[in-house]
Amino acid sequence: QKEVEQNSGPLSVPEGAIASLNCTYSDRGSQSFFWYRQYSGKSPELIMFIYSNGDKEDGRFTAQLNKASQYVSLLIRDSQPSDSATYLCALGVEYGNKLVFGAGTILRVKS
Amino acid sequence: EAQVTQNPRYLITVTGKKLTVTCSQNMNHEYMSWYRQDPGLGLRQIYYSMNVEVTDKGDVPEGYKVSRKEKRNFPLILESPSPNQTSLYFCASSFKGTGFSPLHFGNGTRLTVT
Repeated sequence: QKEVEQNSGPLSVPEGAIASLNCTYSDRGSQSFFWYRQYSGKSPELIMFIYSNGDKEDGRFTAQLNKASQYVSLLIRDSQPSDSATYLCALGVEYGNKLVFGAGTILRVKS
Repeated sequence: EAQVTQNPRYLITVTGKKLTVTCSQNMNHEYMSWYRQDPGLGLRQIYYSMNVEVTDKGDVPEGYKVSRKEKRNFPLILESPSPNQTSLYFCASSFKGTGFSPLHFGNGTRLTVT
């Protein structure tokens, strides 16, 4: 089983809708979680990070973490065509001092 | 502007010809690392460095070398490139490499080895 699993998509949502992106992980000891956005051919950009169970909101983005169920999600409200990108979920691993990334979910927002 | 700068952006080379991809950050970050990104496999760590003269292997270090002689620079060296090293490479840095610090990525280097 991969350490970080994401549905590859594409996930298609209409403009203005809520996009829900999900990620599951296998390491119960994981403490830090990150969401990155990556446009085609570009570098990953940090959207949010979350360390505690519950919700964390930043503008149109909300990250949700449930450590008991080992999943983390990202909600994008009022989705815009410019949100169309690949969204990468990552968890922090102290051993090896790295982030372990999922393969990403492609989001398409249709106007 | 705070940034991680990689060069070159694109590189086409032949099997066995040594090459170096440079990486520099201006944020005084202690931690730097190299990742490669391949379709379906995501981003995988090649090497990382916790500070000057401190480097260690990541998940896919075979065929790569690194050095950290200055805090700001972390070059990636391919001494004898092979076609399976064709990939998109990213250098990244963070304030502290504890797994709690977000990574800041460079713009990437697309390498093709023929």
